[in-house]
Amino acid sequence: DAGVTQSPTHLIKTRGQQVTLRCSPKSGHDTVSWYQQALGQGPQFIFQYYEEEERQRGNFPDRFSGHQFPNYSSELNVNALLLGDSALYLCASSPSGPGVETQYFGPGTRLLVL
Amino acid sequence: GNSVTQMEGPVTLSEEAFLTINCTYTATGYPSLFWYVQYPGEGLQLLLKATKADDKGSNKGFEATYRKETTSFHLEKGSVQVSDSAVYFCALSPIRGSTLGRLYFGRGTQLTVWP
Repeated sequence: DAGVTQSPTHLIKTRGQQVTLRCSPKSGHDTVSWYQQALGQGPQFIFQYYEEEERQRGNFPDRFSGHQFPNYSSELNVNALLLGDSALYLCASSPSGPGVETQYFGPGTRLLVL
Repeated sequence: GNSVTQMEGPVTLSEEAFLTINCTYTATGYPSLFWYVQYPGEGLQLLLKATKADDKGSNKGFEATYRKETTSFHLEKGSVQVSDSAVYFCALSPIRGSTLGRLYFGRGTQLTVWP
């Protein structure tokens, strides 16, 4: 049973560029959440997708956007990258019914903005 | 609002020592509580959870009890191993309302175990 997978594992971008990160949820899960983890900090919630729609959003600017596909996989897009966007981006999945609060994480994508 | 406060690290212990990492929370209602572990260069792994007051979550020798009266969820292990060296995160998730299923994390506690 495959767990949550993310790609790529590492990325280096320059300020002002745009980036797309990808996530495939754990088998049987239909809800995907994205988190940003800055160095030495706990993960911060970016947004959550269910049924191809953004269900809730954390305190992140509109430069951060996402998408969920019919197969439940998801993308995180960040436009106009800033140095402060350098972080580990984590994807987590959960079922939509009972157990929705229990999220399983992927290995993350480490983004460095120069 | 919802928030989690963890004891600040780093925590350094010798192998076979007793471990406690304190965690307290603030929440509207009665959330589910979690401990996640992050090994160097990796994502987060769910270590244990508790979904209601007085529940005890346990896994791999780690335990934590959901204490509603003290709003706490302290992590304990009777005898740590070198392989337990990692960063530990306490988290909560509301079980209803507009933030259902969203995780709120503490800042993490770095644990280093020496042989």
